[in-house]
Amino acid sequence: EAGVAQSPRYKIIEKRQSVAFWCNPISGHATLYWYQQILGQGPKLLIQFQNNGVVDDSQLPKDRFSAERLKGVDSTLKIQPAKLEDSAVYLCASSLVFRVTEAFFGQGTRLTVV
Amino acid sequence: KNEVEQSPQNLTAQEGEFITINCSYSVGISALHWLQQHPGGGIVSLFMLSSGKKKHGRLIATINIQEKHSSLHITASHPRDSAVYICAVRTSGSRLTFGEGTQLTVNP
Repeated sequence: EAGVAQSPRYKIIEKRQSVAFWCNPISGHATLYWYQQILGQGPKLLIQFQNNGVVDDSQLPKDRFSAERLKGVDSTLKIQPAKLEDSAVYLCASSLVFRVTEAFFGQGTRLTVV
Repeated sequence: KNEVEQSPQNLTAQEGEFITINCSYSVGISALHWLQQHPGGGIVSLFMLSSGKKKHGRLIATINIQEKHSSLHITASHPRDSAVYICAVRTSGSRLTFGEGTQLTVNP
């Protein structure tokens, strides 16, 4: 079974620049999550999609972060403009919605803002 | 106070030692996950528990729903077990809330 695919694996940008991350979940998984993991901390949920609808974006800094999942499959997460404190690993995960199961995680995108 | 607390934060062991990592949570849950994260890598799900105990190879996970506590045990630890171990609980819907992780280092 193919896993959750994310790209790029690494990105270095200057502060105030923009950046976008891409995620392709496991086929058939209706629920998609974006997490931010700052070094030394556990992942923090940024946004959760159910198909192409947003279920939970309460911890998403909406002044600079945006995410979409237009066709209920792939998703993009954008930061515009980036700040130094956005340096983190951004993890995408997906899960089946109608049964309690494991969330499958991608490898993550490591963002460094300089 | 975090909804999910792990202890210890850092753990160093000698190869062959028995290791225990603890997780306590303060909310109602439908399931608890133990996850493993290697440096530079993604997160791998080790166990999902809603009651009792599960075993996979040298790894054992237990959960006590009444006490809101779970433990992850590693028997006969090996340097390749060195990683961050994260406890996560599934609350309403399919949302996961994560602990801050335990950095395990197993020395040869």
